Amino acid sequence: DAKTTQPPSMDCAEGRAANLPCNHSTISGNEYVYWYRQIHSQGPQYIIHGLKNNETNEMASLIITEDRKSSTLILPHATLRDTAVYYCIVRVNTDKLIFGTGTRLQVFP
Amino acid sequence: ETGVTQTPRHLVMGMTNKKSLKCEQHLGHNAMYWYKQSAKKPLELMFVYSLEERVENNSVPSRFSPECPNSSHLFLHLHTLQPEDSALYLCASSQGWGRSQETQYFGPGTRLLVL
Repeated sequence: DAKTTQPPSMDCAEGRAANLPCNHSTISGNEYVYWYRQIHSQGPQYIIHGLKNNETNEMASLIITEDRKSSTLILPHATLRDTAVYYCIVRVNTDKLIFGTGTRLQVFP
Repeated sequence: ETGVTQTPRHLVMGMTNKKSLKCEQHLGHNAMYWYKQSAKKPLELMFVYSLEERVENNSVPSRFSPECPNSSHLFLHLHTLQPEDSALYLCASSQGWGRSQETQYFGPGTRLLVL
């Protein structure tokens, strides 16, 4: 599976959009981009996934660049409860989720 | 609430004890997973079961023994653990195994401390 690179930490003001970047320059054509988050000492929570089109659900939006070498997870109106570690994962013909170290998002009042 | 429950939520055990972690999923899924998350480390996949058969074992020591009696239940039997086995143990499930679009849903985890 392709490797991903994420910034170790980010801050965001409550009510503002949080934009979390992820680089996956070695992604191949059939690899999906998945996002999970983990609030302190809880199990990871699925957020969203996509292949090449932008995706939106009730939690977030996923923007994938045309060359698919990077993506951005957007939380449109961050709240304090969105403070968590966010993981960007790419995967192909396997059910293995290989978690990296993710981005620690801190939402402040 | 993801539909995956784990018990107990916290466990303290000595190195000579035998204990078991339990996971139950209420999602009608056919695949279940055990992950380990040590302090300051990424999650590591331990075992995968699909239709009650073990399909993945990531070089886990034999002091960890999984059991999947049916597609809704998964156990992790622990015996003669070491202090370095202290970690958050997470269970997950997905509809199936072997398809890249399967979303895994995680339980809340069991925080294990080995003394």
